Amino acid sequence: AQSVAQPEDQVNVAEGNPLTVKCTYSVSGNPYLFWYVQYPNRGLQFLLKYITGDNLVKGSYGFEAEFNKSQTSFHLKKPSALVSDSALYFCAVRDYGSSNTGKLIFGQGTTLQVKP
Amino acid sequence: NAGVTQTPKFRILKIGQSMTLQCTQDMNHNYMYWYRQDPGMGLKLIYYSVGAGITDKGEVPNGYNVSRSTTEDFPLRLELAAPSQTSVYFCASSLSGTDYGYTFGSGTRLTVV
Repeated sequence: AQSVAQPEDQVNVAEGNPLTVKCTYSVSGNPYLFWYVQYPNRGLQFLLKYITGDNLVKGSYGFEAEFNKSQTSFHLKKPSALVSDSALYFCAVRDYGSSNTGKLIFGQGTTLQVKP
Repeated sequence: NAGVTQTPKFRILKIGQSMTLQCTQDMNHNYMYWYRQDPGMGLKLIYYSVGAGITDKGEVPNGYNVSRSTTEDFPLRLELAAPSQTSVYFCASSLSGTDYGYTFGSGTRLTVV
């Protein structure tokens, strides 16, 4: 069965330091992977995706993610964190259970807290 | 360009009442989804649709119904509301079912008392 896991409920980082939010996945085929961000009382916003190609994917707001097939991971990174990056982050993987439905399986979310 | 619009933003229901959560998108997306978000649980898929007239169950469909009479609208119906349906509900749409991400609405916070 397909699944995605975010092993950390919360990540704390000081402003200006690099940040990493971890995600691991399990799929039966080639993984289609996504990161979304949710600010308080808002809907989720798309950050970036990996479909194929370069293992380092660049997205919105200076975020990037590194796809590692051997470790089945897709960690979200940013070289220098901002207080405004504080939010809830979700990793998601395409559900291969039914072809071409676009269904995504979401992780449980990781709260990122960036302190001044 | 409004994107995905959900109404209402907040609602309190009594046990046994019914209501419809509205979702409309103006991007001509064929694919639409309803998720519920519970603390620490991520998002769970309730129902989805790959085009007008086509709907299917997701992971947690019990207690809900949907319809998709037009490309733009994908309402979610709650019949006989129960406390277990207290949650935040998100509607999302996508251009295709393969490699496109979702556009989400701003959510409906529902409390059943």
